[in-house]
Amino acid sequence: KQEVTQIPAALSVPEGENLVLNCSFTDSAIYNLQWFRQDPGKGLTSLLLIQSSQREQTSGRLNASLDKSSGRSTLYIAASQPGDSATYLCAVRGRSQGNLIFGKGTKLSVKP
Amino acid sequence: GAVVSQHPSWVICKSGTSVKIECRSLDFQATTMFWYRQFPKQSLMLMATSNEGSKATYEQGVEKDKFLINHASLTLSTLTVTSAHPEDSSFYICSARREFMDEQFFGPGTRLTVL
Repeated sequence: KQEVTQIPAALSVPEGENLVLNCSFTDSAIYNLQWFRQDPGKGLTSLLLIQSSQREQTSGRLNASLDKSSGRSTLYIAASQPGDSATYLCAVRGRSQGNLIFGKGTKLSVKP
Repeated sequence: GAVVSQHPSWVICKSGTSVKIECRSLDFQATTMFWYRQFPKQSLMLMATSNEGSKATYEQGVEKDKFLINHASLTLSTLTVTSAHPEDSSFYICSARREFMDEQFFGPGTRLTVL
């Protein structure tokens, strides 16, 4: 059974810092991995999707990497801003499944 | 971009009543829709997967007769919580995916409070 773990559970940084969020999964046979952002009381916004054949994806200040063999993904946020404050969720989709398995998320707080 | 809407955004009801939540894909046809439940400070837990025109597939531990899911068209899925009880209070989020596309898009969620 696939399990997704995100470390740290919470992170507080000053504005302008570069930071890395970690995601690990127990079964390396994944179809793709998706990073989401969730603001309090809101739904999920898709940030980046990495296919199993890819090693990284970039969008603006965000860069996500995937090391499938080791069961790890990282989300790099450059030059963090207070508006980046949210919970970041990692989710994987297995080959034999159509649904996403989520981690518990990392709650990020960027202080002005 | 792909937009998924949910209605209502929040609802308060009395114990024993039924509540219907709608999920719509606004600018694409969703062959598959998913319903998730999220408790405070917890991650999303999949409740069921539905394909247009077919019966929903429920995850283990989710009561089919309590959480009725209908995916009658390629743009609309509904979740009905029947005979709601306080323990059903939660944040319900739907998600939609296009056929042959990998990315899932999520709705804004519905906060259900059962008194």
